[in-house]
Amino acid sequence: GENVEQHPSTLSVQEGDSAVIKCTYSDSASNYFPWYKQELGKGPQLIIDIRSNVGEKKDQRIAVTLNKTAKHFSLHITETQPEDSAVYFCAATNADGLTFGKGTHLIIQP
Amino acid sequence: EAQVTQNPRYLITVTGKKLTVTCSQNMNHEYMSWYRQDPGLGLRQIYYSMNVEVTDKGDVPEGYKVSRKEKRNFPLILESPSPNQTSLYFCASSFGGLRNEQFFGPGTRLTVL
Repeated sequence: GENVEQHPSTLSVQEGDSAVIKCTYSDSASNYFPWYKQELGKGPQLIIDIRSNVGEKKDQRIAVTLNKTAKHFSLHITETQPEDSAVYFCAATNADGLTFGKGTHLIIQP
Repeated sequence: EAQVTQNPRYLITVTGKKLTVTCSQNMNHEYMSWYRQDPGLGLRQIYYSMNVEVTDKGDVPEGYKVSRKEKRNFPLILESPSPNQTSLYFCASSFGGLRNEQFFGPGTRLTVL
């Protein structure tokens, strides 16, 4: 089956700085990589995703990069704001299903 | 408003007392699934359904049952709950399966004493 490793488990950055969260996956057949944001007391919500035929995707302050050869993908958040504080999950989809990383708690320091 | 609803949101029960957590979506999604979230373990899929009357096991199905008699509803049944099923449970739905956005419900926090 698929194995998704996510790092770091906790990330603290100053407001206005950038944050980077990294994930690796094991199954080269995985072809869809979503990122979810979970705020306290709520369900996860999709913030950005990337498919295996694309190397990078941007949406305003958020970007995701995918390196298929190395089997890793990363979430980049620029100009962080207090509302970016949350737990972020990466995931990978293969024929067996959707496998999530263990999550990163992002803390934005004022 | 497009949404996934779950009930109850919080439940404290005792070992062996059957319970059902309901899930409903109003987006006409074919695909629905249940996840449990535990500290340090992330989200793990319990069961999923590709469409009405079609269900299949996820990664951690032991101790759970599901049914899909209507497209909008996907209840999770614990016939004989045990303390190791204490967890935060999420229902999710999507159009077209796992390679599209999953819409998650607000979660059900279950405690089994």
